[in-house]
Amino acid sequence: LAKTTQPISMDSYEGQEVNITCSHNNIATNDYITWYQQFPSQGPRFIIQGYKTKVTNEVASLFIPADRKSSTLSLPRVSLSDTAVYYCLVGDSNYGQNFVFGPGTRLSVLP
Amino acid sequence: DGGITQSPKYLFRKEGQNVTLSCEQNLNHDAMYWYRQDPGQGLRLIYYSQIVNDFQKGDIAEGYSVSREKKESFPLTVTSAQKNPTAFYLCASSLREEQFFGPGTRLTVL
Repeated sequence: LAKTTQPISMDSYEGQEVNITCSHNNIATNDYITWYQQFPSQGPRFIIQGYKTKVTNEVASLFIPADRKSSTLSLPRVSLSDTAVYYCLVGDSNYGQNFVFGPGTRLSVLP
Repeated sequence: DGGITQSPKYLFRKEGQNVTLSCEQNLNHDAMYWYRQDPGQGLRLIYYSQIVNDFQKGDIAEGYSVSREKKESFPLTVTSAQKNPTAFYLCASSLREEQFFGPGTRLTVL
């Protein structure tokens, strides 16, 4: 199983770009990288998913280097409402336990 | 509206009692999951099911049981054997690599 490592916490100010990196040294060939956002007392919500290079959607970008041993979630111009825990998930959840949730990064956005 | 529902939102249990948490999805997903989350912690996998009538233990299955008689439903029973059941429980289903989560059930043992 691909284990992941993320920073425990990060602080930022409104309007700044935030980059959260996840390390997954033993990622498998079939594994995708998925990031989720979780607010207190709610279920996690999908943010973005990628396999290699760069993926961008309306809320974030995901950068994955060629060796795929890490990935970086980029949140442009964060606001107070982006304060949440962000989880990095590596694997293929269609095969049950062949995935691992990272420990999560608690992002605090300050005014 | 498609999605995952969990009930109840809050549940209180006396020590020694079994309780069952409901999880229903109308997304037509084959795979479903149960997670436990303790305060300030990440998600830990309890059980998962890839198809009807089949399920597998996750990392912390002791003291829990599940059934998967219908594609739409994946109830979790917290038994009296679970020594510290107070936690936030999350159900999810998946299509390919993306998991969709329910709103969660907060269980408190009195």
